[in-house]
Amino acid sequence: AQSVTQLGSHVSVSEGALVLLRCNYSSSVPPYLFWYVQYPNQGLQLLLKYTTGATLVKGINGFEAEFKKSETSFHLTKPSAHMSDAAEYFCAVTTPPNFGNEKLTFGTGTRLTIIP
Amino acid sequence: GAVVSQHPSRVICKSGTSVKIECRSLDFQATTMFWYRQFPKQSLMLMATSNEGSKATYEQGVEKDKFLINHASLTLSTLTVTSAHPEDSSFYICSAKRTSNEAFFGQGTRLTVV
Repeated sequence: AQSVTQLGSHVSVSEGALVLLRCNYSSSVPPYLFWYVQYPNQGLQLLLKYTTGATLVKGINGFEAEFKKSETSFHLTKPSAHMSDAAEYFCAVTTPPNFGNEKLTFGTGTRLTIIP
Repeated sequence: GAVVSQHPSRVICKSGTSVKIECRSLDFQATTMFWYRQFPKQSLMLMATSNEGSKATYEQGVEKDKFLINHASLTLSTLTVTSAHPEDSSFYICSAKRTSNEAFFGQGTRLTVV
């Protein structure tokens, strides 16, 4: 079984400040990890993903995340927040294709607010 | 990137009627499609998983007869909410998966049952 915990349902940062959204996962097999962003009344857009290889992954809109196996974490960061970053962010986990589990397990989401 | 189109984006229907939502992968063949339901300010709840040409696999607690899923081709899956009631009002999102285990999401459908 897999699970995802996102600490902090709401995060507020000032424009230009560091964004840090926390995600911890639980998985009995090597995980594939994802961060998605959702704007109001829209679907999910992939920000970045970790499958194998380099543990620091870069995504769109200046976001990056680091897979830390020892901490079972996959926190999302952005050095300088922009007003357009205000949205809901979801961390998700699944297993590699050969493990036969096709489902994405989502965290409960973190609403990011940017303070002008 | 891969594109998944979901239609309609918004629908209002009367209680007791049925509503069909379409999910299409526009530029790739989806081995698997997923249907989610999202309540306000909450995460996505997986409703069912569908593979082309076979019956959908529903999550526990999801009524199969209420939420009919048809996956007629590798690029199209439909969700029909039958005999809709106000409690079925929600945001429904589909996603389509390629072989890499990466899922691509549709824009979502806001269903309001009056």
